[in-house]
Amino acid sequence: SAVISQKPSRDICQRGTSLTIQCQVDSQVTMMFWYRQQPGQSLTLIATANQGSEATYESGFVIDKFPISRPNLTFSTLTVSNMSPEDSSIYLCSVFGGGYTFGSGTRLTVV
Amino acid sequence: RKEVEQDPGPFNVPEGATVAFNCTYSNSASQSFFWYRQDCRKEPKLLMSVYSSGNEDGRFTAQLNRASQYISLLIRDSKLSDSATYLCVVNRDNYQLIWGAGTKLIIKP
Repeated sequence: SAVISQKPSRDICQRGTSLTIQCQVDSQVTMMFWYRQQPGQSLTLIATANQGSEATYESGFVIDKFPISRPNLTFSTLTVSNMSPEDSSIYLCSVFGGGYTFGSGTRLTVV
Repeated sequence: RKEVEQDPGPFNVPEGATVAFNCTYSNSASQSFFWYRQDCRKEPKLLMSVYSSGNEDGRFTAQLNRASQYISLLIRDSKLSDSATYLCVVNRDNYQLIWGAGTKLIIKP
């Protein structure tokens, strides 16, 4: 299965600022997925990122708040923009190949 | 009703015991089912896929009941290292997955 390197692993940010999370995959994948997991909650899909096209966002998530880049088949970024304390969560990228593989997650705290 | 529902637990189980938990799903068209394990402050990791005929991997057995729309996970001879949250995952369509909130399992010595 693919190996994903995700960074940063954690960050504490001031409200109103933005944070960009990066995921690098060791193989080429068509689709990458970005999830959010709030404390004690299940994973919620934010968007699906295909190389060469606009990301597809789930209900409740918009591009202005969570812009995504997918410049090639091994890399993607998710930006959490204009952050508020409600954005404090774990953000995970994922790819599919015989089951979903996840990055190690980014634990974001907004103060 | 949530698309995927799990008992959040925690299930407190003595080491060596057998424990089982279920996960119900609402979309009768779902075709893919998985159990993931998530340790505290870690990312989810695939434990096993669930096949129609049921499948076993060592101490772990997964079953699918399409008629009643649930999947189950059975852990035999539980170890302390089995303590984790177990996430049930069901596909909604070709690639979109719906995640349960997880069942917390605590194995006690």
